[in-house]
Amino acid sequence: SSELTQDPAVSVALGQTVRITCQGDSLRTYYASWYQQKPGQAPVLVIYGKDNRPSGIPDRFSGSGSGNTASLTIPGAQAEDEADYYCSSRDSSGYHLVFGGGTKLTVL
Amino acid sequence: QVQLQESGPGLVKPSETLSLTCTISGGSISGYYWSWIRQPPGKGLEWIGYMYYSGSTSYNPSLKSRVTISVDTSKNQFSLKLSSVTAADTAVYYCAGLTLTGYWYIDLWGRGTLVTVSS
Repeated sequence: SSELTQDPAVSVALGQTVRITCQGDSLRTYYASWYQQKPGQAPVLVIYGKDNRPSGIPDRFSGSGSGNTASLTIPGAQAEDEADYYCSSRDSSGYHLVFGGGTKLTVL
Repeated sequence: QVQLQESGPGLVKPSETLSLTCTISGGSISGYYWSWIRQPPGKGLEWIGYMYYSGSTSYNPSLKSRVTISVDTSKNQFSLKLSSVTAADTAVYYCAGLTLTGYWYIDLWGRGTLVTVSS
């Protein structure tokens, strides 16, 4: 079982704001990173650290955290944002990486 | 631009050892903590472990007894060995570059290779 918990599925109307959350005790100490995965493709890093986007990631993706919860927010969700999203962080020991179970985002 | 490419058998028999290699092109082997991640069909991502070129390693505790990751600096490659495989080890295996600074994140991924465990 994962030490990071995500809602299995979230839906959002086109152009509306969606927040995808990730919960875990280790998030009180370590930042999460977020990955977008489309069918048949490798994951792509979209957010890391406090709220950092790799080059080429649209600035509509943003990250935040409070307590044991990390969030990925997409204001103005687009059809191309429909994908699986995974959070990741260090585990409670600090020595290992762990992924959340993933959230399937549907843009209606 | 650094690129990764997995290679190895797509079919492994139960109880045997799964062996995969990742070739690094366009970059230095000292640039990342080289990692393996897997994804069973229709399921989520699972971190397997990493190795730095200097030799330091870390493995997923649930797989540690069966996993070995090694780095070949002369070939700019790193490898995964997973012993005593069962059908539960059937997955797409990704090689990846993990950055361990103040934050841990994976900004470099291979395309993945499907490994099926079946007799």
